[in-house]
Amino acid sequence: DAGITQSPRHKVTETGTPVTLRCHQTENHRYMYWYRQDPGHGLRLIHYSYGVKDTDKGEVSDGYSVSRSKTEDFLLTLESATSSQTSVYFCAISDRGTGAGNTIYFGEGSWLTVV
Amino acid sequence: AQSVSQHNHHVILSEAASLELGCNYSYGGTVNLFWYVQYPGQHLQLLLKYFSGDPLVKGIKGFEAEFIKSKFSFNLRKPSVQWSDTAEYFCAVKDSSASKIIFGSGTRLSIRP
Repeated sequence: DAGITQSPRHKVTETGTPVTLRCHQTENHRYMYWYRQDPGHGLRLIHYSYGVKDTDKGEVSDGYSVSRSKTEDFLLTLESATSSQTSVYFCAISDRGTGAGNTIYFGEGSWLTVV
Repeated sequence: AQSVSQHNHHVILSEAASLELGCNYSYGGTVNLFWYVQYPGQHLQLLLKYFSGDPLVKGIKGFEAEFIKSKFSFNLRKPSVQWSDTAEYFCAVKDSSASKIIFGSGTRLSIRP
């Protein structure tokens, strides 16, 4: 398995509070991604990063922000958590973002419940 | 924008039955295609991938997939399923010139022992 660690793995938080999820990788991969997984929707891309301080929006970026100050860390912040953000969040990494040979590897997920 | 469709949301089979899960994508350019599996309570794992060459791709655990460019399809197959194949299966597509990978909504596979 690729060296990807997500923290926290489980969290319950109240509506309106900020929440930060951390993804840490030991593979020195350039590309990092945050997905959310919901029944009936599969995995939807929230934000991704193609280098330190280089990030872009995915399909469902509203209400989320990200930061990447180091190659190994990619933080996802819910600025003001809402119940619709209750989900399982997966971090992923890949070694090449363009061209052939790209494979994406996933972390073990972070279960977030907003009450 | 590219998208991925998995039309079967839940498939139920008996052990030893043959499996085919559909995956269609919408993008006219060169793509990389993937199938991932997620066993209950676990993260996604790569089953197989297609980048170029032989359109019939062999993966782990006896799975294979065929890329049919004219049909924009990348269906997953297994000739004889086992109870341990119970999982959710996700098809994914990546535009070869981009850095994003887009996933389908998944197909839940249940195997009756």
